[in-house]
Amino acid sequence: ETGVTQTPRHLVMGMTNKKSLKCEQHLGHNAMYWYKQSAKKPLELMFVYNFKEQTENNSVPSRFSPECPNSSHLFLHLHTLQPEDSALYLCASSQEVGEAFFGQGTRLTVV
Amino acid sequence: AQSVTQLDSQVPVFEEAPVELRCNYSSSVSVYLFWYVQYPNQGLQLLLKYLSGSTLVKGINGFEAEFNKSQTSFHLRKPSVHISDTAEYFCALLGPIQGAQKLVFGQGTRLTINP
Repeated sequence: ETGVTQTPRHLVMGMTNKKSLKCEQHLGHNAMYWYKQSAKKPLELMFVYNFKEQTENNSVPSRFSPECPNSSHLFLHLHTLQPEDSALYLCASSQEVGEAFFGQGTRLTVV
Repeated sequence: AQSVTQLDSQVPVFEEAPVELRCNYSSSVSVYLFWYVQYPNQGLQLLLKYLSGSTLVKGINGFEAEFNKSQTSFHLRKPSVHISDTAEYFCALLGPIQGAQKLVFGQGTRLTINP
């Protein structure tokens, strides 16, 4: 248990669906991250929020939309995804200086 | 730009043998370094970290790593591995990029322990 909780753990969605991934941390961290982990590829940083402000968007397609309503919660809204978006989506949080704590991930399958 | 390179994508080792997983980094400023482990269908778990002080850091599960500034390396070692060490291992650095702290990962090394 790292203190970072992701829901759901598994998600299967059609290409026309809209769904959201949720991440929650009560560690008092001020930075939160979304990473995408595909098979045989390095971890890809998608979005970074520092103090609820988005500070990074690594050329992520607009079909992925992040939301950080407060410093404890982070969402990733999904719509009209493609099969190649199937992956493990990892959320993490950290203090300004220190290690990142990761959630268990959401295994997403787009059909 | 800051980057992390893990030189081996796969490392097969026999049980009870020693192992070293290599990590080199590139940065013009001081950074913090980490090793994470990922078991199948799990998130990443911190093994150990170097923030400052002693260059030899010890982590969980008997792992240790040595920070070498002159060689810009942070190799992970374990003197005797166990079957349960089979996992993916990631080296990462935390450093300032465009005014914000950013965590950058290497490509990962898959460690396979054979009986």
